[in-house]
Amino acid sequence: AQTVTQSQPEMSVQEAETVTLSCTYDTSESDYYLFWYKQPPSRQMILVIRQEAYKQQNATENRFSVNFQKAAKSFSLKISDSQLGDAAMYFCVTQGGSEKLVFGKGTKLTVNP
Amino acid sequence: DSGVTQTPKHLITATGQRVTLRCSPRSGDLSVYWYQQSLDQGLQFLIQYYNGEERAKGNILERFSAQQFPDLHSELNLSSLELGDSALYFCASSVVSDEQFFGPGTRLTVL
Repeated sequence: AQTVTQSQPEMSVQEAETVTLSCTYDTSESDYYLFWYKQPPSRQMILVIRQEAYKQQNATENRFSVNFQKAAKSFSLKISDSQLGDAAMYFCVTQGGSEKLVFGKGTKLTVNP
Repeated sequence: DSGVTQTPKHLITATGQRVTLRCSPRSGDLSVYWYQQSLDQGLQFLIQYYNGEERAKGNILERFSAQQFPDLHSELNLSSLELGDSALYFCASSVVSDEQFFGPGTRLTVL
């Protein structure tokens, strides 16, 4: 079984600053994917970034980057130059061979002007 | 806009009733997934269909059932509703297994 732990229920950051959201996971799969999804107040689930576990290089999408530590089963999300529109609930997610997504409990990010 | 549509957006009903939630996947996507988001349980996987066939089952109650039709749209049927079934129900679709696109969700309130 796969599990995902997000130890920070809430985080806050000043606009234009950098923030890192933490995530650890556990899986018995040898091949899997990791994602960060964002859920703004509109409730829409939006894919922020994804990482294939077999790739050592950390994924980057504009202001969003991850620090993937496979041996430690850690997958943190760094948001640079935070914007007001980044305020949302962020979910760390794993996907193994069964294709279903397993979600962490989420981190609520507040961006202060 | 993810290209996945869900109807209705909101549904209010009473305990003991039965409802049907509908999902239309993105054009070309063969897989449809259903997820439930509640305050108690967080986001959890319910069931997956691939090209009309059930492919994987998660924590789906026996009172719940789903199907995928030849045009690939899917329906989630919830019966004998209880207060605890109140939640946001998401549908997602994918063509490859690594990225799922979510619909806007159906907010179900059971009174």
